[in-house]
Amino acid sequence: QQQVKQSPQSLIVQKGGISIINCAYENTAFDYFPWYQQFPGKGPALLIAIRPDVSEKKEGRFTISFNKSAKQFSLHIMDSQPGDSATYFCAATPGEESYKLIFGSGTRLLVRP
Amino acid sequence: ETGVTQTPRHLVMGMTNKKSLKCEQHLGHNAMYWYKQSAKKPLELMFVYSLEERVENNSVPSRFSPECPNSSHLFLHLHTLQPEDSALYLCASSQDGVGDGWREAFFGQGTRLTVV
Repeated sequence: QQQVKQSPQSLIVQKGGISIINCAYENTAFDYFPWYQQFPGKGPALLIAIRPDVSEKKEGRFTISFNKSAKQFSLHIMDSQPGDSATYFCAATPGEESYKLIFGSGTRLLVRP
Repeated sequence: ETGVTQTPRHLVMGMTNKKSLKCEQHLGHNAMYWYKQSAKKPLELMFVYSLEERVENNSVPSRFSPECPNSSHLFLHLHTLQPEDSALYLCASSQDGVGDGWREAFFGQGTRLTVV
């Protein structure tokens, strides 16, 4: 019940296209859903996050869509750029143990020039 | 120095060795974490310290021993490791008590550990 399932495992997108990464969860105690971006040789860095009381959050080219009834959320990268090539992790934290980040398995994104 | 700094960046150790990983955060945070990143399980929480007290030990074997002497420093002491412990060990920090501060973890670059 602690799992966060992420897909796809890898994704190739042409420059200017839209990258979409999906995550699903079961634990209804989760109340915060961040996305992390990791470049090779670096630690993950917080990209954008959402709470379940909103259905969408946008920051620049990055948008999180959240479907509470389906227990699914997704990251959309608009106008994808080669510099966006990285591994993306979705995550969730339960309200009562808010220090505990539960990560998805990661998606390796490659944006071709 | 800014952010979260981990040393060493790479470590090769034998199964009978004892070594330590060091993490230092310069963000004024009061919570620190150890994560393990491997191909099989991408990001596993190992330990959490808040205000220098351990609040989480995520069923980690005793051959891994954390130490948090103050809110800026975190160590992971390693002894009699197994080859399957080879992984990237990531340290992170966050600020408890400020909005979603708990949940916004700042990661270091990690220590790539190889056990031979």
